[in-house]
Amino acid sequence: QQKVQQSPESLIVPEGGMASLNCTSSDRNVDYFWWYRQHSGKSPKMLMSIFSNGEKEEGRFTVHLNKASLHTSLHIRDSQPSDSALYLCAASNTGYQNFYFGKGTSLTVIP
Amino acid sequence: EAAVTQSPRNKVTVTGGNVTLSCRQTNSHNYMYWYRQDTGHGLRLIHYSYGAGNLQIGDVPDGYKATRTTQEDFFLLLELASPSQTSLYFCASSDGAGSAETLYFGSGTRLTVL
Repeated sequence: QQKVQQSPESLIVPEGGMASLNCTSSDRNVDYFWWYRQHSGKSPKMLMSIFSNGEKEEGRFTVHLNKASLHTSLHIRDSQPSDSALYLCAASNTGYQNFYFGKGTSLTVIP
Repeated sequence: EAAVTQSPRNKVTVTGGNVTLSCRQTNSHNYMYWYRQDTGHGLRLIHYSYGAGNLQIGDVPDGYKATRTTQEDFFLLLELASPSQTSLYFCASSDGAGSAETLYFGSGTRLTVL
């Protein structure tokens, strides 16, 4: 059973547009969430993390977390073609060094 | 940034073959992981370790063995490779000082089992 679900599977946005990606965990014990970005042919790299309720912004990227619903979302404003990648959501439990990954959202930014 | 090196980058073997994938991290991280990545399944954890000599079973361990020989080195062994093990394999490490840790990934090994 997939403990982390991501939506949509794929997303196409125009250059300069807003991309919104969603992630939910079905495991009530999950405490921490990460967003990883994987460009084609490359390895995943951590993009943002969020551990507390609320919002966190880093440049064009904003992540939200609602711990009650175990839902996190990633928003990319002013999307660029270089943002085209697979975005992976990961979650882990307190004190348990295992990370659960979703299947990812494939983002394509069209010039 | 943390350095994780995997070898080989590509490997082709036949059904029933014996394969060893290698991973080395040079950041004194406690935790090391082996994942496989397949279209439609995302990243799935095979095995992980929190130190030399330690091994923990992941979510998809069948057909795989692993060994952590030193703090730096973690190996994944396929003793009787099958076509279902054709995949992209990633090694990763993390410091493990609490649960809020970032994973650092190697460049991956693409394995094809004919």
